[in-house]
Amino acid sequence: SAVISQKPSRDICQRGTSLTIQCQVDSQVTMMFWYRQQPGQSLTLIATANQGSEATYESGFVIDKFPISRPNLTFSTLTVSNMSPEDSSIYLCSGGLAGVQETQYFGPGTRLLVL
Amino acid sequence: QKEVEQDPGPLSVPEGAIVSLNCTYSNSAFQYFMWYRQYSRKGPELLMYTYSSGNKEDGRFTAQVDKSSKYISLFIRDSQPSDSATYLCAMSDPSSASKIIFGSGTRLSIRP
Repeated sequence: SAVISQKPSRDICQRGTSLTIQCQVDSQVTMMFWYRQQPGQSLTLIATANQGSEATYESGFVIDKFPISRPNLTFSTLTVSNMSPEDSSIYLCSGGLAGVQETQYFGPGTRLLVL
Repeated sequence: QKEVEQDPGPLSVPEGAIVSLNCTYSNSAFQYFMWYRQYSRKGPELLMYTYSSGNKEDGRFTAQVDKSSKYISLFIRDSQPSDSATYLCAMSDPSSASKIIFGSGTRLSIRP
């Protein structure tokens, strides 16, 4: 199984600022994803991180608010821009093999609180 | 209507009880069905997966899929306090490039 690490594990930020979350996987995954999990709710897919090209965003999420980079197969970043208290959430990255759903592994998450 | 519906609980049962967790879905294109377990302050971990209708057993866990009713279940036998966690059902269709749709999760507590 893949080991996925994220940093920071948590942060408290001021309204209007931006935070970049890093995700590192320890093996050659082909797919990387970013999710948001609001308190007591399920995981919502933000975007698929594509290596060397623009991420594919889900409905309701836009690149200006959540820019994503994936410079190589095993590393990706998610930036939460111009934050508001509504962005307070847990942000998780996952990695896996294309078309093999059971290989999708999750990082521990980044707990973000925006004041 | 959400694509995947799951009772959020919380569900509290005594140790040793049989636990039944359920989800319904609306998208008949879903072919892959998964159950994830998420401990507090951790990321979800895959517990069970199946591609077809019927039952799949793994130790104390049994996953059941009924595609005709669009209904999936996870049974936990001889439940232990260490099973206390949030359980999320999840599913996807073959054309989705690994995109997974999650249920809202059921919080389970096993009382010693």
